[in-house]
Amino acid sequence: QLQLQESGPGLVKPSETLSLTCTVSGGSISSSSNYWGWIRQPPGKGLEWIGSIYYEGNTYYNPSLKSRVTMSVDMSRTQFSLRLNSVTAADTAVYYCARHVPTNYGGNFNSWGQGTLVTVSS
Amino acid sequence: QSALTQPPSASGSPGQSVTISCTGTSSDVGIYNYVSWYQLHPGKAPKLIIYEVSKRPSWPSGVPDRFSGSKSGNTASLTVSGLQAEDEADYYCSSYAGTNNWVFGGGTKLTVL
Repeated sequence: QLQLQESGPGLVKPSETLSLTCTVSGGSISSSSNYWGWIRQPPGKGLEWIGSIYYEGNTYYNPSLKSRVTMSVDMSRTQFSLRLNSVTAADTAVYYCARHVPTNYGGNFNSWGQGTLVTVSS
Repeated sequence: QSALTQPPSASGSPGQSVTISCTGTSSDVGIYNYVSWYQLHPGKAPKLIIYEVSKRPSWPSGVPDRFSGSKSGNTASLTVSGLQAEDEADYYCSSYAGTNNWVFGGGTKLTVL
């Protein structure tokens, strides 16, 4: 069964870069029918899609975050990563990684990690 | 892109039915049938329960047919029939918004009385 697990620092200072990694197990990160996505949930607020990446490196980012987001895939480690730079307190959130099925396969996020809380504070 | 609008809370007694709405625009929910719903229990991984407006996933684990989805115009709905205690959770809708963009709702906390 596919499993995803987020990892990374739980505390990041303002203006610095948030870096998270998602490790995929129980399935292939290079499947042609999958993208891999990041979604976040600020405290007391709703979910927000951050972006998604294909194993070959194609990326799609939320326009509101695009200038600060970089995603990458490391197939040898079956991991994909998120970098969000110039963070502020507004970036404090639980960050989830998920398998993102594109629209031609149903258009949804069908497997998720449990999420990791990242707090931006000095 | 704006978040989809959901009521912050909903409730029902065991055995009853509850419907949660998800209102978008003619640029997302109204034009695309890629509306999905997710169930979030505290401390657990979110779970896909409905995709493409009304389909229930059979993988990785089946979703009971007590959960159903529909759409009319710019509003999608999730109905939970025969409410059970374990249905108490937060529910979020999501929609494709075109040009490789995805938008989520603000979430609805479902309480089983």
